[in-house]
Amino acid sequence: DTGVSQDPRHKITKRGQNVTFRCDPISEHNRLYWYRQTLGQGPEFLTYFQNEAQLEKSRLLSDRFSAERPKGSFSTLEIQRTEQGDSAMYLCASSSQIGTRVYEQYFGPGTRLTVT
Amino acid sequence: AQTVTQSQPEMSVQEAETVTLSCTYDTSENNYYLFWYKQPPSRQMILVIRQEAYKQQNATENRFSVNFQKAAKSFSLKISDSQLGDTAMYFCAFMKHMGGDSSYKLIFGSGTRLLVRP
Repeated sequence: DTGVSQDPRHKITKRGQNVTFRCDPISEHNRLYWYRQTLGQGPEFLTYFQNEAQLEKSRLLSDRFSAERPKGSFSTLEIQRTEQGDSAMYLCASSSQIGTRVYEQYFGPGTRLTVT
Repeated sequence: AQTVTQSQPEMSVQEAETVTLSCTYDTSENNYYLFWYKQPPSRQMILVIRQEAYKQQNATENRFSVNFQKAAKSFSLKISDSQLGDTAMYFCAFMKHMGGDSSYKLIFGSGTRLLVRP
């Protein structure tokens, strides 16, 4: 069990540029979540995948945001035309589908995005 | 909609002492789960303890225990014999019980920063 990994760990970009983040969940986990955490706040839910299907999206996920999980393995989160308000830590989490483990989400280290 | 409130932005405790972090939540659901997560500085979030709402017995994990008061919608975390490694942000989180393919998303509070002093 290598844990949830995210890449890159830090990203600095200019306003208006596109950025893409990657999340690799724990290998046997079929549920994957993206959250956003701004400074001094708790994480907020963005979107949820079960296998390759995106089953829920938050209102926070504007049309500039898109997430994919091809083949139900890794996931990508893309932000187009970044704005300064997008500056945040983007967290990925995964969980198993089996029994009570569905309630236990394991988090990655996050990608810290700074939009200048 | 569910909300989670942590009213203590910062707490401080002497090493080896006991500290209690507060959390209240608002929900009309009867079946749900509550969690405490720990986020050490520059490190990833880890699950500390979980409580099922249908269970009357308070959850315990080694030095960590909770006081779950369902009627009062209160869920506090007690850390006994505090250690320097307990220094972190602590988040209380709510999860609605869903079924099937539904999302089990977490709703977090704003966190409490705990400093353990040597």
